[in-house]
Amino acid sequence: QVQLQESGPGVVKPSETLSLNCTVSGKSTIGYHWSWIRQPPGKGLEWIGDIFFTGSTTYNPSLASRVTMSIDTSKNHFSLELKSVSAADTAVYYCVRERSSGPHFGSFDYWGQGTLATVSS
Amino acid sequence: EDVLTQSPRALSLSPGDRAILSCRASQKIRGDFLAWYQQKPGQAPRPLIYGATNRATGISDRFTGSGSGTDFTLTISRLEPDDSAVYYCQHYGGSVRYSFGQGTKLEIK
Repeated sequence: QVQLQESGPGVVKPSETLSLNCTVSGKSTIGYHWSWIRQPPGKGLEWIGDIFFTGSTTYNPSLASRVTMSIDTSKNHFSLELKSVSAADTAVYYCVRERSSGPHFGSFDYWGQGTLATVSS
Repeated sequence: EDVLTQSPRALSLSPGDRAILSCRASQKIRGDFLAWYQQKPGQAPRPLIYGATNRATGISDRFTGSGSGTDFTLTISRLEPDDSAVYYCQHYGGSVRYSFGQGTKLEIK
């Protein structure tokens, strides 16, 4: 069974950088794309971007100027950095596995439980 | 930009009823790349349907996905109280690699 666990500070100050980590267990990160998705309180889901196990990334254009993703396959984890945060970045952040092959292609099959990141001084 | 519009935004039904949730795309999309998720309060979304019509592992046959082109539907039959949740459709392959509808909140009372 694949499990994903987000970790990171619960509170970040405005204009600073939000850094989150996702540890994957039960399956190697190799061979898959891994996404970050966020959900502001009481609102819908927004895809932030993804990273392939090779390190290749694709970001949502609306966030691309502030986002950096990285992956360490030896440690089976991947990370998100979001720069220059504001209150609008307050959200639950999920790390998620993509299905980039087979019949499930283009969907998400395993999700972390999510971590709330609050931007506040 | 590809936009997914879900309707209705909220729905209140009784146990045993059937719910019909709509997801309309702003332009024609491949059904292969249309998925549905169920989200309960405080939980991560749970995969229900992928490829527009295929149930994810462990999903009851009360959940049925259908549609093509720009119009897709999630039908939930014989509603149970546990079906109360927000349901999201999701598409792969637009100008933004992944996009979500704004969700339909289903209440079973």
